[in-house]
Amino acid sequence: GENVEQHPSTLSVQEGDSAVIKCTYSDSASNYFPWYKQELGKRPQLIIDIRSNVGEKKDQRIAVTLNKTAKHFSLHITETQPEDSAVYFCAARGSARQLTFGSGTQLTVLP
Amino acid sequence: DAGVIQSPRHEVTEMGQEVTLRCKPISGHNSLFWYRQTMMRGLELLIYFNNNVPIDDSGMPEDRFSAKMPNASFSTLKIQPSEPRDSAVYFCASSWGRGGTGELFFGEGSRLTVL
Repeated sequence: GENVEQHPSTLSVQEGDSAVIKCTYSDSASNYFPWYKQELGKRPQLIIDIRSNVGEKKDQRIAVTLNKTAKHFSLHITETQPEDSAVYFCAARGSARQLTFGSGTQLTVLP
Repeated sequence: DAGVIQSPRHEVTEMGQEVTLRCKPISGHNSLFWYRQTMMRGLELLIYFNNNVPIDDSGMPEDRFSAKMPNASFSTLKIQPSEPRDSAVYFCASSWGRGGTGELFFGEGSRLTVL
């Protein structure tokens, strides 16, 4: 089945700096890669996603890039703000048709 | 729509007791998922249903866990007997399409503590 690895597990940045979280996946048939944000005690919520026919997608301060050849995708957050502090999960949907999640990255934005 | 609704939000029980978690998916969604979240193992898929039929239950840890979806608007996850290692947050999620083709919407979760 699909295996998704996510790095780093924790990330601290100064407010205003950029943050990058990276994921790799194993199933070459994977075609959908969402990112979820989970604030403390809350549910995971979708913040951005990308499909395999696209290399990059941007939504305001958030962007995701996908390299299908290398089987990795990344989340980029620019101009970070304290409210960006949360756990971020990447996921991939492979040939088994369900989402497999990475282990999560605890992002802390320091004021 | 009120989103995915789970109950109870919190459950504290003693080892050996039966636990039943409930979920109401978003109306019109035809795929439903049960996930378990722990610090050690992250978000694990336990089982998912498509059109009320269990498609993949390979993530169900053992026979103590069972899940049902008697109709399109209700699902249960049952643990009998419960053990301390079952303590976790259990999320129900729903989407449109087979295997979560569409966006996955999570409920607020049920935090289970087994003493």
